[in-house]
Amino acid sequence: AQSVTQLDSQVPVFEEAPVELRCNYSSSVSVYLFWYVQYPNQGLQLLLKYLSGSTLVKGINGFEAEFNKSQTSFHLRKPSVHISDTAEYFCAVSDSQPPKKLVFGQGTRLTINP
Amino acid sequence: NAGVTQTPKFQVLKTGQSMTLQCAQDMNHEYMSWYRQDPGMGLRLIHYSVGAGITDQGEVPNGYNVSRSTTEDFPLRLLSAAPSQTSVYFCASRRTGGQGEQYFGPGTRLTVT
Repeated sequence: AQSVTQLDSQVPVFEEAPVELRCNYSSSVSVYLFWYVQYPNQGLQLLLKYLSGSTLVKGINGFEAEFNKSQTSFHLRKPSVHISDTAEYFCAVSDSQPPKKLVFGQGTRLTINP
Repeated sequence: NAGVTQTPKFQVLKTGQSMTLQCAQDMNHEYMSWYRQDPGMGLRLIHYSVGAGITDQGEVPNGYNVSRSTTEDFPLRLLSAAPSQTSVYFCASRRTGGQGEQYFGPGTRLTVT
């Protein structure tokens, strides 16, 4: 069974600063990896996903993530954050084989200060 | 194309009452699932379905029932609500042949007193 650990429950950063949200996973099989974002009082929206191929994946709103198989990590980065990036971010993993159940991390609350 | 819709948006129940949270999708997705979101715990899978007539348990199924009579609808039933079921509930769907990306509804905030 897979599991996901998000290493920081809260990350405060100043506007225009870079940010990294950390995610580690455990699985004995081939996986797909995802980052979702949840803006206040809304549902979840997909930021980006890793399925195979290039280990650096780019998503919406200037976010990117790097898959590191040896370290079982999938950290999310953005070089310069904006106030509008304030949200909760969830890392998730699924098997590459059916039924591909999605397992979520605990979430990281990103707060951008002016 | 409405995507995944959930009703109601908010609900307050007394302990012991029953209710059904509704979920519908118009994308012809075979796979549908229910999660609950609690602070510091992320989203946990309650039940899922890989197609009409087929359901299975997730990580936290106790106290919840589901059925899937059509591709479009996947209701979640609370038979006898408990304060521990106070949470935000999300429904999601995806294509079975897809690559795992799920589309989420806006959520139902449930309070059990």
